Amino acid sequence: DQQVKQNSPSLSVQEGRISILNCDYTNSMFDYFLWYKKYPAEGPTFLISISSIKDKNEDGRFTVFLNKSAKHLSLHIVPSQPGDSAVYFCAASGRGGADGLTFGKGTHLIIQP
Amino acid sequence: ETGVTQSPTHLIKTRGQQVTLRCSSQSGHNTVSWYQQALGQGPQFIFQYYREEENGRGNFPPRFSGLQFPNYSSELNVNALELDDSALYLCASSLVGSGANVLTFGAGSRLTVL
Repeated sequence: DQQVKQNSPSLSVQEGRISILNCDYTNSMFDYFLWYKKYPAEGPTFLISISSIKDKNEDGRFTVFLNKSAKHLSLHIVPSQPGDSAVYFCAASGRGGADGLTFGKGTHLIIQP
Repeated sequence: ETGVTQSPTHLIKTRGQQVTLRCSSQSGHNTVSWYQQALGQGPQFIFQYYREEENGRGNFPPRFSGLQFPNYSSELNVNALELDDSALYLCASSLVGSGANVLTFGAGSRLTVL
């Protein structure tokens, strides 16, 4: 049973426009949510996180929104750039972190010139 | 500041064999964890080590075991390899108490079991 779901395997966006990646979760005990980006032949790299007590966190071109009642979060990238083309993973963590991160299957974002 | 390094990058084993994968944590980090990423899937948590002891484990059988050394480097051992063990194995390090459990990942070791 998947506790973190990314229902879009891929997403194509024009350069300069907004990219919106979505993620749903089922476990209400998750304390932190994180987004990771992965290029081929590299490990995932941390992008941005949000605590369960907040509903928005912004870092430059990246903003994460959390809707706890809907158990939904989204990552907005504005404006999208060619270097943003990668696989994006949504992940969730319980309090303390000893249970590791629970990842979704990822969304492959393709930025079209 | 060095990141997380893993070795080997690729290896091929046959069913029933044993494998050891190695990882050097990022400088200043005291926790190491291992993840298995099968093709088309997200990484799955195997286990985590802190102060040389396993302090968290995912849904993996006992034939997956590990070690953390005093210099915070780590090993993942898998015994009695099965075909389904073919995957990318990712090592990650972090600092306990850093809040959001932000992990720094290595590039992974790709294991193929024939």
